[in-house]
Amino acid sequence: QSALTQPASVSGSPEESITISCTGTSSDVGNWNVVSWYQQHPGKAPQLLIYGVTKRPSGVPNRFSGSKSGNTASLTISGLQSEDEAEYYCFSYASGGLYVFGPGTKVTVL
Amino acid sequence: QVQLVESGGGVVQPGRSLRLSCVDSGFTFSTHPMHWVRQSPGKGPEWLAVISKDGNNQDYADSVRGRFTISRDNSKKTLYLQMDSLRVDDTAIYYCAREGMDSGSWGYFEFWGQGSLVTVSS
Repeated sequence: QSALTQPASVSGSPEESITISCTGTSSDVGNWNVVSWYQQHPGKAPQLLIYGVTKRPSGVPNRFSGSKSGNTASLTISGLQSEDEAEYYCFSYASGGLYVFGPGTKVTVL
Repeated sequence: QVQLVESGGGVVQPGRSLRLSCVDSGFTFSTHPMHWVRQSPGKGPEWLAVISKDGNNQDYADSVRGRFTISRDNSKKTLYLQMDSLRVDDTAIYYCAREGMDSGSWGYFEFWGQGSLVTVSS
């Protein structure tokens, strides 16, 4: 199965903006607008932040946004807050009925 | 509000079987595909399997194909994961998740269960 790549860690100061990348291939991220992003705090189940590459569910703060260019999807957090310190995972359809998660990015608020 | 509650986890010896259940307390279980996802200690989530709304189609990750079986009973609003030939590296928290469908978007998890811990150990 295909694999997605994410930076292991990203950090930023409060109110700064950070971007997490999720790089796949033309078989997954590049070929389908079926990319979603999840936030996970320790001991909790992941929570949906972004779906359909750019859509934000109701209740998710608008400082979270998603985009895609070619085989790389991105999650941007604008105006970083202390409660955003967590692990972030991208997820994509990978053709043939299969799906794949990225390895995760740990976000640290300095 | 949708609430997914998993059960059936526990400690099992390698080579044995276990069946997980996931009950949906909402009213729209039969209108959504459902998935199983697991997360090994200290690792990221791993997608395992998906089942269609009517239960007639399933797909599996390579790591579990042939050993795990996903099924559903819409009359009971329950999702199942039959896990056979369990291995030590199947040790993980297992989550059921409901696939969202919104304005042409699909293939994302709008609701997750709380997780059920499966430990495979001799």
